[in-house]
Amino acid sequence: DAKTTQPTSMDCAEGRAANLPCNHSTISGNEYVYWYRQIHSQGPQYIIHGLKNNETNEMASLIITEDRKSSTLILPHATLRDTAVYYCIVRAWGETSGSRLTFGEGTQLTVNP
Amino acid sequence: NAGVTQTPKFQVLKTGQSMTLQCAQDMNHNSMYWYRQDPGMGLRLIYYSASEGTTDKGEVPNGYNVSRLNKREFSLRLESAAPSQTSVYFCATKREVITDTQYFGPGTRLTVL
Repeated sequence: DAKTTQPTSMDCAEGRAANLPCNHSTISGNEYVYWYRQIHSQGPQYIIHGLKNNETNEMASLIITEDRKSSTLILPHATLRDTAVYYCIVRAWGETSGSRLTFGEGTQLTVNP
Repeated sequence: NAGVTQTPKFQVLKTGQSMTLQCAQDMNHNSMYWYRQDPGMGLRLIYYSASEGTTDKGEVPNGYNVSRLNKREFSLRLESAAPSQTSVYFCATKREVITDTQYFGPGTRLTVL
């Protein structure tokens, strides 16, 4: 799997957009970018994934640069409940069932009132 | 639609006792996983099941056994609990073999005295 680099921590004001960056400069052509988050004391939660086009769902938007070496997860209107550790993961298409998810250090996002 | 459920939420055992952690999903996914997460550490895969009737070891299977009872249920058994098995245990499912969109349960917090 390609290595990812994320800032250790970020702060965001409630109601504002939270933009979480991720660098994955060694990403291969068949690797997807996945985002998960883990709210304290809860199970990890899938947010979104993409290959090369920008993606949007009910939780967030994912912007992937044209060269695919970095991406940004956008929470358009952050709430206090979005305070969590956010993980950017790069995984290849065709991974076997037995390959576990590897969460790196992630970014601790704190949404302030 | 409950997603992935786990029971119990909390458990305290004495060394040498046995117990079974239960996991059930209503998402009709084929693949199911058991992870453990220790404080300040990432997820480690204990066992997984690619489909009903099949199970395989992950990276830390010693001291555990699993049973894929049917498509919905995947249980994890500790035959003789040890303090080193104190951890938070997460069950997860995966939508398809070839993606890594995993959906996690809320976790079971196990303490072995």
